[in-house]
Amino acid sequence: KAGVTQTPRYLIKTRGQQVTLSCSPISGHRSVSWYQQTPGQGLQFLFEYFSETQRNKGNFPGRFSGRQFSNSRSEMNVSTLELGDSALYLCASSLGTPITDTQYFGPGTRLTVL
Amino acid sequence: AQRVTQPEKLLSVFKGAPVELKCNYSYSGSPELFWYVQYSRQRLQLLLRHISRESIKGFTADLNKGETSFHLKKPFAQEEDSAMYYCALSGAGSYQLTFGKGTKLSVIP
Repeated sequence: KAGVTQTPRYLIKTRGQQVTLSCSPISGHRSVSWYQQTPGQGLQFLFEYFSETQRNKGNFPGRFSGRQFSNSRSEMNVSTLELGDSALYLCASSLGTPITDTQYFGPGTRLTVL
Repeated sequence: AQRVTQPEKLLSVFKGAPVELKCNYSYSGSPELFWYVQYSRQRLQLLLRHISRESIKGFTADLNKGETSFHLKKPFAQEEDSAMYYCALSGAGSYQLTFGKGTKLSVIP
């Protein structure tokens, strides 16, 4: 089975721009979670989707949004980028929930905001 | 609010020595607890979870509700255990994982 894929792998943007990141889960997985990883804050939960519904949202401003499509692929969007949004964004998928099922992580998208 | 604390950023042990990676949590209810591992140049992956009561690669973790801890242990460290280890928590009925900041384990040959 192919693993979780994320595109693009690297991205450079300037302040004020917006960005969309994409995640393709493992075939058959319906839960997709997103995380932000920075050296200072570590891994922080952004949101989790199941069957196109957001079930949980982390403590991030409204500039961070996401969605999931009927094929379970997911996108996250960050509007009005700030320097502090520079981070590695990780996506993870699981069959039903990241709690009872094994969660598989993608390689991440490295976002740099200049 | 839920919080996970891993007090050691870096832990160095000799090959064959016992390993204990500490994890303390703050949560008012009954949490689900996990250990994730990231080997060099590999993706983050699940090592074990409390609900499964499993032992993976010789590692075990015991939930101590009195001390609110979920320490990861292995009796004899191997060089291939060198990696970054993250403890994570989920609250009851939640699909959100809260991670600690991680401990880098270095096993000295």
